[in-house]
Amino acid sequence: DQQVKQNSPSLSVQEGRISILNCDYTNSMFDYFLWYKKYPAEGPTFLISISSIKDKNEDGRFTVFLNKSAKHLSLHIVPSQPGDSAVYFCAAIGSSNTGKLIFGQGTTLQVKP
Amino acid sequence: DSGVTQTPKHLITATGQRVTLRCSPRSGDLSVYWYQQSLDQGLQFLIQYYNGEERAKGNILERFSAQQFPDLHSELNLSSLELGDSALYFCASSVGGNYSPLHFGNGTRLTVT
Repeated sequence: DQQVKQNSPSLSVQEGRISILNCDYTNSMFDYFLWYKKYPAEGPTFLISISSIKDKNEDGRFTVFLNKSAKHLSLHIVPSQPGDSAVYFCAAIGSSNTGKLIFGQGTTLQVKP
Repeated sequence: DSGVTQTPKHLITATGQRVTLRCSPRSGDLSVYWYQQSLDQGLQFLIQYYNGEERAKGNILERFSAQQFPDLHSELNLSSLELGDSALYFCASSVGGNYSPLHFGNGTRLTVT
């Protein structure tokens, strides 16, 4: 049972344009969401998070949007840079999960110069 | 550098064997998590320890076990290895709060032949 889904395995965008990565979840008990970025041969690194009491959180070029009614969140990267090319994982947690972060399958983003 | 150290980086072993993966958390972090990433899969939560005690358990096989020692380092033991156990095994640490971002090591790539 995949509680966190990233339906797009890959995404390719031009440098300078917007990258939009999407994530859907099924468990209504999730109340905190995170995005991680992963380069080859490295572990995932924390990028940005959002609590369920908010619908938007911004950090520099990265913005995460949360639509609770649709159980959907998205990560916007503006402007995209070649160094952003990586695998992006969406993750979710709820108060009942006791630290058990549930990850999506990941989306590979390629930013072309 | 996340501050989380995993050893070894690579491990090649035969079916039926037993291996131990080691993780040193970031300084000050009390929680250690183990995740498995198989080919084309997201990160699957295995187990969490907090200050030496098991805190949460995921889809961890009975052939797998883990522990966290008084110095907070952790070991993941995999026994009676099967071909399907070939995967990347990540360790992560956090300060321990339910919503604390996880900081990942670079993983141990296990190949079972």
